[in-house]
Amino acid sequence: DSGVTQTPKHLITATGQRVTLRCSPRSGDLSVYWYQQSLDQGLQFLIQYYNGEERAKGNILERFSAQQFPDLHSELNLSSLELGDSALYFCASSRSRDGFYEQYFGPGTRLTVT
Amino acid sequence: DQQVKQNSPSLSVQEGRISILNCDYTNSMFDYFLWYKKYPAEGPTFLISISSIKDKNEDGRFTVFLNKSAKHLSLHIVPSQPGDSAVYFCAASGTGNQFYFGTGTSLTVIP
Repeated sequence: DSGVTQTPKHLITATGQRVTLRCSPRSGDLSVYWYQQSLDQGLQFLIQYYNGEERAKGNILERFSAQQFPDLHSELNLSSLELGDSALYFCASSRSRDGFYEQYFGPGTRLTVT
Repeated sequence: DQQVKQNSPSLSVQEGRISILNCDYTNSMFDYFLWYKKYPAEGPTFLISISSIKDKNEDGRFTVFLNKSAKHLSLHIVPSQPGDSAVYFCAASGTGNQFYFGTGTSLTVIP
């Protein structure tokens, strides 16, 4: 158990809908990252938050947005969903070890858009 | 642009033999490299890491080698065990705490 929790575990929705994925980082971790893993693809970095502020942006679509709240949990909002958004969405949190950062991943949310 | 590449999508190895997983990167500013292991329906789990000041890091059956001049790293697992069957992701980071992942190599250890 990495200590990172994600809800829900599975989500099935229709095209055009909007969903919210939730992540709670490990206790004490200030950074939260969101990744998308589509079929046969690697982990595509979407966005990073650090202590409530956006730190880095990757290949995140304009239809997607995220935020990190004062209690450090984060939400990823996906809107106007398309079939191609079906994927595993992972959240990770990180902390420094000897000056370097390691990421700890949650179990993921499997999103299916029909 | 894929800054971290794992060119072998899959690898099969006999139990007890060595598994060698390879990873190449393009950004010379990367200074920290990690390997993650992922089982189906689970999130990736941290396996081993190496900083750019080293060329080798060992942890039990797992050893990571870094060749900075070639921008190449490899993960050696010896001896390989059936429980090692999983997808292995290579990742790299530099300043800014952003991580770049490869596309993964699916390792199958045959009993």
